[in-house]
Amino acid sequence: AQSVTQPDIHITVSEGASLELRCNYSYGATPYLFWYVQSPGQGLQLLLKYFSGDTLVQGIKGFEAEFKRSQSSFNLRKPSVHWSDAAEYFCAVAFNDYKLSFGAGTTVTVRA
Amino acid sequence: ETGVTQTPRHLVMGMTNKKSLKCEQHLGHNAMYWYKQSAKKPLELMFVYSLEERVENNSVPSRFSPECPNSSHLFLHLHTLQPEDSALYLCASSQATSGGTAEAFFGQGTRLTVV
Repeated sequence: AQSVTQPDIHITVSEGASLELRCNYSYGATPYLFWYVQSPGQGLQLLLKYFSGDTLVQGIKGFEAEFKRSQSSFNLRKPSVHWSDAAEYFCAVAFNDYKLSFGAGTTVTVRA
Repeated sequence: ETGVTQTPRHLVMGMTNKKSLKCEQHLGHNAMYWYKQSAKKPLELMFVYSLEERVENNSVPSRFSPECPNSSHLFLHLHTLQPEDSALYLCASSQATSGGTAEAFFGQGTRLTVV
């Protein structure tokens, strides 16, 4: 069955430190890949997406993600986090249709 | 207004009540979705409408009844809900294309509490 895994439930980072969130998917072909962010009480906002081409994609708010076919991964990174990056982050995939399947999410806490 | 708008933002209802959630998208998209977000669980896709036709119903109980009168509006009618139905209900829209997908844009959600 198709699945999306975010292995880390909760990550705490210091402000100014780097951040990496992991995402793995299970599927025979390359899906469409997305990262969303959700602040408390809000909906989901798209950070970035990968459909094809360059495997390193840039997104909003200084985030980037790298698609690695050999590892079936699409990890999200930010070189220097800000307190406003504290939120929940969701990896999502779509497999040749318009339905998104989401991972369970990773909660990011930023400490001063 | 722009984007995807959901009303109400918060709703408290008894198990015998009937209520409706409303979603409106101003993006010209052709597909709309209802997701359920419960604490500690992945987002669950409930319903998908493409060009106003329901194309997916993920084994959702009949106490949830969607309606899509046109490509800009989506409703979720609720009746005789259970306490475990308390959750954040998210509406989304996208411009779905043959053989592919574009990103979904989400509303801010309706926080539903069933008492």
